[in-house]
Amino acid sequence: ETGVTQTPRHLVMGMTNKKSLKCEQHLGHNAMYWYKQSAKKPLELMFVYSLEERVENNSVPSRFSPECPNSSHLFLHLHTLQPEDSALYLCASSQDLHRGLLTDTQYFGPGTRLTVL
Amino acid sequence: QKEVEQNSGPLSVPEGAIASLNCTYSDRGSQSFFWYRQYSGKSPELIMSIYSNGDKEDGRFTAQLNKASQYVSLLIRDSQPSDSATYLCAAYSGNTGKLIFGQGTTLQVKP
Repeated sequence: ETGVTQTPRHLVMGMTNKKSLKCEQHLGHNAMYWYKQSAKKPLELMFVYSLEERVENNSVPSRFSPECPNSSHLFLHLHTLQPEDSALYLCASSQDLHRGLLTDTQYFGPGTRLTVL
Repeated sequence: QKEVEQNSGPLSVPEGAIASLNCTYSDRGSQSFFWYRQYSGKSPELIMSIYSNGDKEDGRFTAQLNKASQYVSLLIRDSQPSDSATYLCAAYSGNTGKLIFGQGTTLQVKP
C-alpha cells in the first residue's frame, strides 16, 4: 500500500466502549498528526508527533489518548466518548514538522467516520 | 476574528468558467499556504502550496499570495463538474508552529 492508510473506515461505538483508530504512513515521513473534522467546522488539530515524540496536544479531552510506537504508525485510543465526539477523524503525515518558518505539505489518510451512540 | 477565513459558499459557476476562491488570514507571521480539495465524504487532497508573493500556476489551477494584504486565492480555469468540492485554505505560522485551516468554500460547477 502507498500513502496514508487508516482503519477502520467506519466505527460505531457506545459511550462505554473502548476502541482504537489506526493510522499507517508509507511515505517515510517523520511527522504525524490527528485531526477532527466536524460538520461545518474547520479541521481541528488534536495531536502532533515528530519522530515518535508528542509535540502538541491541543487541549484535547483525556478520553482521547494517542500513541506513536514508531514513525510509521499512529494510534488514537478512545474511551468513554460522548455523542458530540462523532466526527471524521483524519490522520496526516509530513516529511518533517517544519523547516524554519516553513512547513512541509501534510498528506491525509481517508479518515475514520466515528459515530458515538 | 477567525484565524483563517473563507466564505463557506456555495460558490456556483457554469462549466468552463473561472472559479475564484478567496482566503484571508490573521497571523502576519504565516509563511506557508496550502489549498486542499475535499470531496464529500472523502479526505482532503493537496491542490497547491505557495510560499512566496505572486502567482503559482499548475495546470488549470493558479494560487495567488499577497502577504501585505494577508490574502490567498485559488483560481480554477475551465471549471469542470468534477471540480465540485469543498476547497480548504490553510496557513502555517513558523512563529506559532501551527497549521490553521479555514472552514472551506463549497464550489458547485454546473454543466
